[in-house]
Amino acid sequence: NAGVTQTPKFQVLKTGQSMTLQCAQDMNHEYMSWYRQDPGMGLRLIHYSVGAGITDQGEVPNGYNVSRSTTEDFPLRLLSAAPSQTSVYFCASSYSYREYEQYFGPGTRLTVT
Amino acid sequence: SQQGEEDPQALSIQEGENATMNCSYKTSINNLQWYRQNSGRGLVHLILIRSNEREKHSGRLRVTLDTSKKSSSLLITASRAADTASYFCATTPSGRGNYQLIWGAGTKLIIKP
Repeated sequence: NAGVTQTPKFQVLKTGQSMTLQCAQDMNHEYMSWYRQDPGMGLRLIHYSVGAGITDQGEVPNGYNVSRSTTEDFPLRLLSAAPSQTSVYFCASSYSYREYEQYFGPGTRLTVT
Repeated sequence: SQQGEEDPQALSIQEGENATMNCSYKTSINNLQWYRQNSGRGLVHLILIRSNEREKHSGRLRVTLDTSKKSSSLLITASRAADTASYFCATTPSGRGNYQLIWGAGTKLIIKP
């Protein structure tokens, strides 16, 4: 199993540009989520999904969109990049959010200039 | 908002010593998890302890949970250089319809050779 994969690993955007961060898992997990991690801080939840076709907002959803058309994929879209979105983005998945460990991808380091 | 708070924020010890870090949280929980993050990498699950458990062991790791004090501790015995990492706690709040893990800001552990 590849586990959780994220692409790209690094990205530089100009203010106002849009892009999609890709996340895929091959473990047939129901629950997937996107976090951002800023220097010296913990994780903040952006959006999550409890199954295909179901998404919901986390703590910091503004400026981001998600969709979950398949169990495997959970892309995160930045609509109009801002310098405040400079961060490391992690995708995670688990069999269920409640009783199971989260598997994390390697992260995408995004810089917005 | 961040429910978990790790203490201390940073810890530096000699190789071979024991390392203890603590996590406090604010609301009733279903379970509490500990994760490790090596620099520049994704998070890796270490251990999950349920609300009806008081202590759990995994190799050199010992986790305790005190629900009356809303706190948990992670003890790493006989530390090694490879234990240098940031450690995060994450709680699953109890109650239906709440699908968000709550993360602390982490403890940065440095093991000196």
